[in-house]
Amino acid sequence: EAQVTQNPRYLITVTGKKLTVTCSQNMNHEYMSWYRQDPGLGLRQIYYSMNVEVTDKGDVPEGYKVSRKEKRNFPLILESPSPNQTSLYFCASKGGKPSGNQPQHFGDGTRLSIL
Amino acid sequence: AQKVTQAQTEISVVEKEDVTLDCVYETRDTTYYLFWYKQPPSGELVFLIRRNSFDEQNEISGRYSWNFQKSTSSFNFTITASQVVDSAVYFCALSDSSGGYQKVTFGIGTKLQVIP
Repeated sequence: EAQVTQNPRYLITVTGKKLTVTCSQNMNHEYMSWYRQDPGLGLRQIYYSMNVEVTDKGDVPEGYKVSRKEKRNFPLILESPSPNQTSLYFCASKGGKPSGNQPQHFGDGTRLSIL
Repeated sequence: AQKVTQAQTEISVVEKEDVTLDCVYETRDTTYYLFWYKQPPSGELVFLIRRNSFDEQNEISGRYSWNFQKSTSSFNFTITASQVVDSAVYFCALSDSSGGYQKVTFGIGTKLQVIP
């Protein structure tokens, strides 16, 4: 089954404790992306990646890092989480050319709470 | 720069009523892509439709229809004879060349509640 898998689905942690949210897709997609969803703000793009070792900032990259060492994986790293990063996070991938108009496939989301 | 406005934050309708969700976008490009996604209460994001800027043909899929008008920069979504299962948050999204078609801007979403 074609899917985007995020882990963990839920996480409560404390300020400053490094964490990683993993994202894996099994569709051989070149393009992957991370979003955060906040009430009243919709989804905002954090980072995206056009291929292995190619990443770029979205609209809200501050406080986040990503890496793309393999095509299927695109982890989101919070080196020193802060309460304003409490949010619902989605990973997505899309097929075709990275600059193409294919719709994105989304993971089920990761709800992060930073205390 | 790209921008998507969904002015209706919440809408409530009674089952079987028709409802239209508005989406207004801004872009300087002549080539761009518009999308609608649905987020049911379970939280996942489901793709509904894609439209490119060269195709102004309206589309109907069952009870769903989309009205794309470049003249008013709008891509509105209508649900006919709404059902309780249509209750969800609906997002309109845009990608254009300012982000190499890789940056996607979403609206803030419209929460639709269909009352039985």
